[in-house]
Amino acid sequence: KAGVTQTPRYLIKTRGQQVTLSCSPISGHRSVSWYQQTPGQGLQFLFEYFSETQRNKGNFPGRFSGRQFSNSRSEMNVSTLELGDSALYLCASSRADTQYFGPGTRLTVL
Amino acid sequence: QQQVKQSPQSLIVQKGGISIINCAYENTAFDYFPWYQQFPGKGPALLIAIRPDVSEKKEGRFTISFNKSAKQFSLHIMDSQPGDSATYFCAASLSGSARQLTFGSGTQLTVLP
Repeated sequence: KAGVTQTPRYLIKTRGQQVTLSCSPISGHRSVSWYQQTPGQGLQFLFEYFSETQRNKGNFPGRFSGRQFSNSRSEMNVSTLELGDSALYLCASSRADTQYFGPGTRLTVL
Repeated sequence: QQQVKQSPQSLIVQKGGISIINCAYENTAFDYFPWYQQFPGKGPALLIAIRPDVSEKKEGRFTISFNKSAKQFSLHIMDSQPGDSATYFCAASLSGSARQLTFGSGTQLTVLP
């Protein structure tokens, strides 16, 4: 069974731009969660989607948003990028309690 | 209330030794406690998880010990191998929200050959 895939793997943007990251969950998984990983703040929960509905949201500004499509694929969007948004963005899919993480998208904001 | 504190930040162990990583939590509503292993350039991978109704869970060389009264849990890696060198994260989540994990700060484990 294929794992969680994330595209792109690397991304370089400048301040003020916006970015969209994509996540394809494991087949049959309807829940997709997003996390931000930075050296300073560690792994932080962004939001979770289940059947196209946002179920949980972490403590991030409104510039961070997401959505889920009917095939369970998910995207997250960050608008008006700031230098501090440079991070590894991880997507995880799950069917029960276990979350399976993708390799992440490394975003660098210059 | 939502914090999970992890120690040590880094750990060096000889091959064949026991690696022990500790975590403490504050929110007594947490009821799912997984441990993840992360290699450079990869996403975290689930190692083992426990719920508060048991005090210990073992899977191969990995054991979670759980102390509900002290609000602490730990990961023990027996017979540590150089291939175990990675960053380990403990995490916790609330009942009904197992997909919203609160992570510890991570422990970088180095196993010397």
